[in-house]
Amino acid sequence: EEQLVESGGGLVKPGGSLRISCAVSGFTFSNVWMSWVRQAPGKGLEWVGRIKSKSDGGTTEYAAPVKGRFTISRDDSKNTLYLQMNSLKTEDTAVYYCTRGGTKPDFWGQGTLVTVSS
Amino acid sequence: DIQMTQSPSTLSASVGDRVTITCRASQSVSVWLAWYQQRRGKAPKFLIYQASYLESGVPSRFSGSGSGTEFTLTISNLQPDDFATYYCLQYNTPPYTFGQGTTLEI
Repeated sequence: EEQLVESGGGLVKPGGSLRISCAVSGFTFSNVWMSWVRQAPGKGLEWVGRIKSKSDGGTTEYAAPVKGRFTISRDDSKNTLYLQMNSLKTEDTAVYYCTRGGTKPDFWGQGTLVTVSS
Repeated sequence: DIQMTQSPSTLSASVGDRVTITCRASQSVSVWLAWYQQRRGKAPKFLIYQASYLESGVPSRFSGSGSGTEFTLTISNLQPDDFATYYCLQYNTPPYTFGQGTTLEI
């Protein structure tokens, strides 16, 4: 059974850092492009960024609001996707979803809540 | 960045109705458009890709059409489970962008 399980969310102060993870099972993680999508409380979906598979270069793309502050990485040996978030702002408060697919995400985790507040 | 605009923002309907949601792009995205359904408190569910291709397991009462800058999602014979929020996503050019969502309510 395919599973994406996010972890690591929590409360962080503005300007702080946090790394969230996504543990993958049920499919061959190393072959797949992955993405992060977020959803602020009561708001719509926002694409955060994506990472290609290593065989396709492993490169990343980011949305403008997070570019330069967030970094997506992957550890294929651990079947885990990461999102390193630095210089966090209150507007980064959201549920962060790990998704399979670097273009049209076809499978989503349950999300992890990141709250940025003093 | 490509802007995606959905209309309407809210749509009232009844079980058995047929409804259409529109998604417009600020520039052509060819056919690289997907649709998602999100029920309250749940993760989004993938419905349609490449504008008109139904994801496996999605009921045939869902259909999509369009190309370029204008796209539609049509749901026929509405069922109780269909009352949710729907989002379009353009994946033609990064950064990919979602529409603001359309809430389908009774």
